[in-house]
Amino acid sequence: GAVVSQHPSRVICKSGTSVKIECRSLDFQATTMFWYRQFPKKSLMLMATSNEGSKATYEQGVEKDKFLINHASLTLSTLTVTSAHPEDSSFYICSARGAGEAGELFFGEGSRLTVL
Amino acid sequence: QQPVQSPQAVILREGEDAVINCSSSKALYSVHWYRQKHGEAPVFLMILLKGGEQKGHDKISASFNEKKQQSSLYLTASQLSYSGTYFCGTFIGNEKLTFGTGTRLTIIP
Repeated sequence: GAVVSQHPSRVICKSGTSVKIECRSLDFQATTMFWYRQFPKKSLMLMATSNEGSKATYEQGVEKDKFLINHASLTLSTLTVTSAHPEDSSFYICSARGAGEAGELFFGEGSRLTVL
Repeated sequence: QQPVQSPQAVILREGEDAVINCSSSKALYSVHWYRQKHGEAPVFLMILLKGGEQKGHDKISASFNEKKQQSSLYLTASQLSYSGTYFCGTFIGNEKLTFGTGTRLTIIP
């Protein structure tokens, strides 16, 4: 099956700094990738849809200036959490849609961000 | 528009059966099922596309009702490895996958 790799898996940063998370599709080209956020014991909430070569589409309530998404190539999307604060601490997961009819999602390993 | 799952949590002894339900107020284009272990990303289980469809592999199967507003996931003779949180999901506008509220399944020896 398709493989999506996410890096880093864990990151701890100080409040006010920026953190970049990378999401790569290793064996297929992904024109669209999705970024999810998950709080403990909660469901995955879609933050934004990342489109190769164009601006990301953000879900309602997600600050686009705080969560910068760049999808510069067919295999790489990045999420940058700018000026991170403790409330941004969460589990961030990227995914890419498969090429099949139903378009199952393949997920990266997830990145656990802790902001001190 | 988030699909609602029931039960929210269930504890089973190894070998027992479980049913997890996923309901929507609107007809769904398709329904996906995923399982997530603690601290890990979700893993794809299966997709159902057609009303009335049933499919499965090994001891995990699922159904999609005729009106395409409800899906159920069936776990038979549960194993310890089945523990985790199960999510149904559906594509909104055939573009983005929205996950259900989740069901936490704990299997005890």
